[in-house]
Amino acid sequence: EVQLVQSGAEVKQPGQSLRISCKGSGYNFATYWIAWVRQTPGRGLECVGIIYPGDYDTRYSPSFQGQVSISVDKSISTAYLQWPSLRASDTAMYYCARSYSGVSNPYQPDYWGQGTLVTVSP
Amino acid sequence: DIQMTQSPSTLSASVGDRVTITCRASQRISSWLAWYQQKPGKAPKLLIYKASSLESGVPSRFSGSGSGTEFTLTISSLQPDDFATYYCQQYDSFFTFGQGTRLEIK
Repeated sequence: EVQLVQSGAEVKQPGQSLRISCKGSGYNFATYWIAWVRQTPGRGLECVGIIYPGDYDTRYSPSFQGQVSISVDKSISTAYLQWPSLRASDTAMYYCARSYSGVSNPYQPDYWGQGTLVTVSP
Repeated sequence: DIQMTQSPSTLSASVGDRVTITCRASQRISSWLAWYQQKPGKAPKLLIYKASSLESGVPSRFSGSGSGTEFTLTISSLQPDDFATYYCQQYDSFFTFGQGTRLEIK
């Protein structure tokens, strides 16, 4: 059974760093992209970035470039989303999702994690 | 960036109704479009991919059509479990989602 299991909810202060995780199981982790998607009531669903564990190809949305970093540890089938310095505007639900690799781009995300709620407040 | 615009934002309907949701892309995306259903507190669930292909396990009352810039999701006969929010998503260039259509009980 394919599963993506995310780390638990986080409450942080502005300026703190944070790393959340997404562990895949039940499939060949290296051959599917992992996407990180942010959801907020005001902006809806937004793709933060994607990473291909097979060759570490990483792509960011222009809106998030430089604000976060995405990484992966293939040895434990886990992807990460990291902030060096959180802002209140980072408060959101974050989902990871897997996407099969097309010729040069990922296909539609099919399996999603359960979400990690990040709250940034003084 | 490719922008995705859904309409309507909210749709009121009754069990048994046939409903259609529209999604428009700001530029041509061939058939690289997916539809998702999301219920409160849950992750989105894939319904349709490549504009018209039904994901395994999804009831056949869901169907998708379109190509280029205009797409539709149709539910042929609404069931109580279908009241949720629906999103379109393009994957021709990175990923972009529509703003969502909330399907509520009339």
